[in-house]
Amino acid sequence: QVHLVESGGGVVQPGGSLRLSCAASGFTFKYYPMHWVRQAPGKGLEWLAVMSSDGSHTNYADSVKGRFTVSRDTSTDTLFLQMNSLRIDDTAMYYCARVSSAIDYWGQGTLVTVSS
Amino acid sequence: AIQMTQSPSSLSASVGDRATITCRASQAIGNDLAWYQQKPGRAPTLLIYGASTSQSGVTPRFSGSGSGTDFTLTISGLQPEDFATYYCLQHYSYPYTFGPGTKLEIK
Repeated sequence: QVHLVESGGGVVQPGGSLRLSCAASGFTFKYYPMHWVRQAPGKGLEWLAVMSSDGSHTNYADSVKGRFTVSRDTSTDTLFLQMNSLRIDDTAMYYCARVSSAIDYWGQGTLVTVSS
Repeated sequence: AIQMTQSPSSLSASVGDRATITCRASQAIGNDLAWYQQKPGRAPTLLIYGASTSQSGVTPRFSGSGSGTDFTLTISGLQPEDFATYYCLQHYSYPYTFGPGTKLEIK
């Protein structure tokens, strides 16, 4: 059964950095594109980034382009999100998600709080 | 980027009612539209993909229709567990974009 577990969230000051991880299991990780989606407290869902199955292609939302970088390690079946130059409005629950016909499985999320 | 709108933003209904939520894309997206349900404190779950195909294990009370720019999610015979927030997602082109959500509340 598909299982995605995010980690690495926490409290960080504006301008700081954080690296999120997403451990995947229950499926052949190397075959699937993987995404990051976030949700600010009390707000809707915001798509952030995708990495192709082979890691050769990425795409980002304008709101994080140039600040966030997605990567993956197929030896450990882990997806990463490196977040730099964090801003207060980056405060959110961050989810990793798998794509099959659509985004079909989500992790439980990891909370990032940007605050001074 | 493709903009997604949803209506209504909130909907009050009773158990047993039929609820209809619409989603509109700012440009044609074929049938690359998915619907998600989210309950408080939980990750979203996939209900419908390809505009009208039910995800495995999803109750047939949920159905989707539409193509191009206009899409509909219909929930027939509302049950207590259906009261949640619903989002559409276009996965036709990057950046993917979600609708702003529809909160379905018990009347």
